[in-house]
Amino acid sequence: AQSVTQLDSQVPVFEEAPVELRCNYSSSVSVYLFWYVQYPNQGLQLLLKYLSGSTLVKGINGFEAEFNKSQTSFHLRKPSVHISDTAEYFCAVKLGGYSTLTFGKGTMLLVSP
Amino acid sequence: DTAVSQTPKYLVTQMGNDKSIKCEQNLGHDTMYWYKQDSKKFLKIMFSYNNKELIINETVPNRFSPKSPDKAHLNLHINSLELGDSAVYFCASSQGGQANYGYTFGSGTRLTVV
Repeated sequence: AQSVTQLDSQVPVFEEAPVELRCNYSSSVSVYLFWYVQYPNQGLQLLLKYLSGSTLVKGINGFEAEFNKSQTSFHLRKPSVHISDTAEYFCAVKLGGYSTLTFGKGTMLLVSP
Repeated sequence: DTAVSQTPKYLVTQMGNDKSIKCEQNLGHDTMYWYKQDSKKFLKIMFSYNNKELIINETVPNRFSPKSPDKAHLNLHINSLELGDSAVYFCASSQGGQANYGYTFGSGTRLTVV
């Protein structure tokens, strides 16, 4: 079975600083990887996804992530964060077929002025 | 315009009651899901339906019974509510389990059992 580890439960950062949110996965077969964002009291919104091809994936709101197969990682980055990026970020993995999305425990990104 | 809509948004009820949460999607997707998000924000799959057929049923108490009258709707009925059922329940949909798309989520139903 696949699993996802988000090493940091909380990442505090100042506005306009760069940020990296870490995600590692475990699977014996090929996976598809996703990052979702959850703003306070809202549902989950897809930020970006890796299905195949280029390992650098660009998403909405200036976020990008890099798939590293040898490191089994899919870290999320943004070069300059805004206050409005404060939210919970979830990494998720899916196998092929009718398997469902398996989520990590989330990382709370706290952006302060 | 809402893609995946859930009702109600908030639900406060007493232990022992029976309640339902409704979910509808207008995306034309054929697969729908229920996820539970606990107080620590952990998201766990509960059920998955494809074209009204149950395809995934995780270890969930049988007090929880999903029903899919058509592929655009997936409702969740909960019997004999317990304090531990308090959580946010998310409905989601996707196009085909075989396709490697992300899911579209509803805005959630916050269930509080008192």
